[in-house]
Amino acid sequence: NAGVTQTPKFQVLKTGQSMTLQCAQDMNHNSMYWYRQDPGMGLRLIYYSASEGTTDKGEVPNGYNVSRLNRREFSLRLESAAPSQTSVYFCASSDTSSGNTEAFFGQGTRLTVV
Amino acid sequence: AQSVSQHNHHVILSEAASLELGCNYSYGGTVNLFWYVQYPGQHLQLLLKYFSGDPLVKGIKGFEAEFIKSKFSFNLRKPSVQWSDTAEYFCAVKVHNTDKLIFGTGTRLQVFP
Repeated sequence: NAGVTQTPKFQVLKTGQSMTLQCAQDMNHNSMYWYRQDPGMGLRLIYYSASEGTTDKGEVPNGYNVSRLNRREFSLRLESAAPSQTSVYFCASSDTSSGNTEAFFGQGTRLTVV
Repeated sequence: AQSVSQHNHHVILSEAASLELGCNYSYGGTVNLFWYVQYPGQHLQLLLKYFSGDPLVKGIKGFEAEFIKSKFSFNLRKPSVQWSDTAEYFCAVKVHNTDKLIFGTGTRLQVFP
């Protein structure tokens, strides 16, 4: 049981480059999330998806796009990377449709934009 | 907008000392409350959660938290910390009947032997 899998684990981008962070979960959860973690700022919600085909903005959505490809996969895209997007990105999933369960997290993607 | 406040940014304790980390949230409706822990170099793991019922909830590794609705608080406690509790601790709030899960800024705990 892999849980939540993120790829890649590490990435270095040049300013202006684009890339997609992949996330997949094998727990049949309906909700999926993307967070960024920065020192002193905790985890900030970028986007979330309550079900296939739906996405909603979180606290810091600017500069990002997401796709909920199917129930398992939720990708995060940076169209034109900026140094301010240097961060550790975490994907999470949760079975909110059944009521009260916690979110399970992936191992994170450490992204550096130079 | 909903927000979560953790007032202690960095806490340093000796082993066997007692711990209390504060968490306050700004939403007035029904909420689900969580404490997560992140050990160095790892992802977040659930410590405990509150959905309803007894406001004093017990989690793993001897941690507990008390929900005080009138104070919009969900403070984390442990009677006697260990060196292995060195980690970052995050409070999180999910507004009932939504899927939005918001985290606080975290508290870094260092425990010295």
